[in-house]
This record gives sequence, C-alpha cells and structure tokens, in this order.
Amino acid sequence: QVTLKESGPVLVKPTETLTLTCTVSGLSLSNARMGVSWIRQPPGKAPEWLAHIFSNDEKAYTTSLKSRLTISKDTSKSQVVLAMTNMDPVDTATYYCARIGCTSTGCYTHFDYWGQGTLVTVSS
Amino acid sequence: SYVLTQPPSVSVAPGQTARITCGGNNIGSKSVHWYQQKPGQAPVLVVYDDSDRPSGIPERFSGSNSGNTATLTISRVEAGDEADYYCQVWDSSSDHVLYVFGTGTKVSVL
Repeated sequence: QVTLKESGPVLVKPTETLTLTCTVSGLSLSNARMGVSWIRQPPGKAPEWLAHIFSNDEKAYTTSLKSRLTISKDTSKSQVVLAMTNMDPVDTATYYCARIGCTSTGCYTHFDYWGQGTLVTVSS
Repeated sequence: SYVLTQPPSVSVAPGQTARITCGGNNIGSKSVHWYQQKPGQAPVLVVYDDSDRPSGIPERFSGSNSGNTATLTISRVEAGDEADYYCQVWDSSSDHVLYVFGTGTKVSVL
C-alpha cells in the first residue's frame, strides 16, 4: 500500500524559507518509476500544483513560483523535499504531496495517492 | 495559462443524478481527471483519463469529455457524496509544464 506523509513547520515568518518533507512508504523512489508532486491549497480555494520530481530526477515547477521553489529527493530515505523561499502570508495553505504513477510506456498526468496534508501558516 | 471553469455549486436530491461541468478551451483534446474532497481531508481521485475509475470507486461515478466541456456524473446520489469536486488536466508546451485544477464545485445533497 502506497502512503505519503508530509512534515514540516506549521508556522513560518514572512521572508523565511519553508522546507517540507514528503515521506513515501510502500514504494521505493529508486526502484519504482513514479513521480511525486507538491500541491498546495489555500483555505477555501482550489488546489494549486507547485512542482514535481520523477524517479529519473526530472523536475518541473509551476511558472509563477519557479524562482522560489526547489524540489529534491533522497531515495535512501524515500523522501521528497520542497523548499520555498521568501514566504508571504498569501502562501498560507495546506501543502500536499501526491504521487504520479507511471507504466513501462509513460507516466500518468493525474495524482492517485495523496498525503494527508500539512497546514502552513505564514505570520509574524 | 490554461483555465478550467466549474460551477460553484450543484444541489441534488438523494437518488437523483448530479452533473458537474468543467469548461476549458478545447478540453476535449486533453485527459481530464476528477477529485472528490470532503472537509478536512485530502482530495481523492474518482475519475481519471476522462472516464476511467480507480479501484474502489463506485460505478455511480462516471465521466465524459468533448469539445470545450468535460462532465463528471454522479448517479443515484447518496448523502456521502456531498463534497467539493475538482477537475484537473495536464497542460504542457515547450516552455512550461503545468497541472491545472478547476475552480471547484460544491455538491450539496438536499
């Protein structure tokens, strides 16, 4: 069974850097062909995709936040890490990590497994 | 950037059929995915690639996609179907990759 779990600070100050960790269980990031995305959802709003990283280390970022985001993975720990710089109160949201499944011929474009999410509040 | 538009709310009586639309420019050329989100919970995939269901999702959930509109249909609506629903597509070009979510529809069961 595939599970994902987010961890990180619940409160960050404006201008600080947010670092979130997604721990994946049930699949090996090094052996399984898959991707992990970070998605955030401000209170009462729709989800917003932020970034993804695949097992072959392919990365992509949403255009509007590209300069502030860095995604990486530690396959030995089965973790995917997202760093977001220069946090602002508008970045207050629940942050999710989610899996993108792949087959031998390609990867899907939907998110089949999600973590429970972690609420991050940006406030001084 | 690509925009997906959904009606803010849909109300339906138990046992009836709910239809949730997702509008986008030539969305029929893209694969559309649908998520159900209940309060305080993470989204759950209910339909992918326009009309496929993940294992464990009831057959009451179905999808279609053509032209500029994709539709999620919930047949024989139950009280437990009350939730927010989001459509999602993958939009890519030479200079960007983007997973786009719709604006969301709140389904209320009367």
